[in-house]
Amino acid sequence: AQSVTQPDIHITVSEGASLELRCNYSYGATPYLFWYVQSPGQGLQLLLKYFSGDTLVQGIKGFEAEFKRSQSSFNLRKPSVHWSDAAEYFCAVGAADSGYALNFGKGTSLLVTP
Amino acid sequence: NAGVTQTPKFRILKIGQSMTLQCAQDMNHNYMYWYRQDPGMGLKLIYYSVGAGITDKGEVPNGYNVSRSTTEDFPLRLELAAPSQTSVYFCASSLPGGTHEQYFGPGTRLTVT
Repeated sequence: AQSVTQPDIHITVSEGASLELRCNYSYGATPYLFWYVQSPGQGLQLLLKYFSGDTLVQGIKGFEAEFKRSQSSFNLRKPSVHWSDAAEYFCAVGAADSGYALNFGKGTSLLVTP
Repeated sequence: NAGVTQTPKFRILKIGQSMTLQCAQDMNHNYMYWYRQDPGMGLKLIYYSVGAGITDKGEVPNGYNVSRSTTEDFPLRLELAAPSQTSVYFCASSLPGGTHEQYFGPGTRLTVT
């Protein structure tokens, strides 16, 4: 069965600093990979997605992620964090054997300090 | 185009009561999903459907039932509500093919006391 691990429960960065959120997955075939963001009390917004092609994918709000098959990772990055980026970030993997339902990591809570 | 809509937004149930969480999408998506999110956790799959008349269990189906009589609607039924079902429930839909990107509804916050 597929699984997703987000090793960092909380991350604090200063505004303007760079950001990297880690995500590791376990899946036998080529995974469908996603990063979602959730602000407090809100629903989920898709940041970016990967299935095939270029392993560096660009998303909304200046985010990017790199798929590394050898490391089973799909880390999210942003060169310069803004205070409005403070939120919960979820990595997810979709699997063909369950109607492409998503298996989510537990999330990383991002705090941005002035 | 409203996307994925969920009703109600909030609900408080007493233990043992039943209710139906409504989910509808107007994007003609074949695939639909129900997830629940508990505090400090990611979302867990309750049920999913790959088309009208076809449903299947996810990771945490106990205490829930679903039906899919139309492409647009995918209601989630809670029978005999228990405190363990206190959670935020999200419905999502997607098209088959491509990257299977899922579109999420705004969620229903349910408290069982």
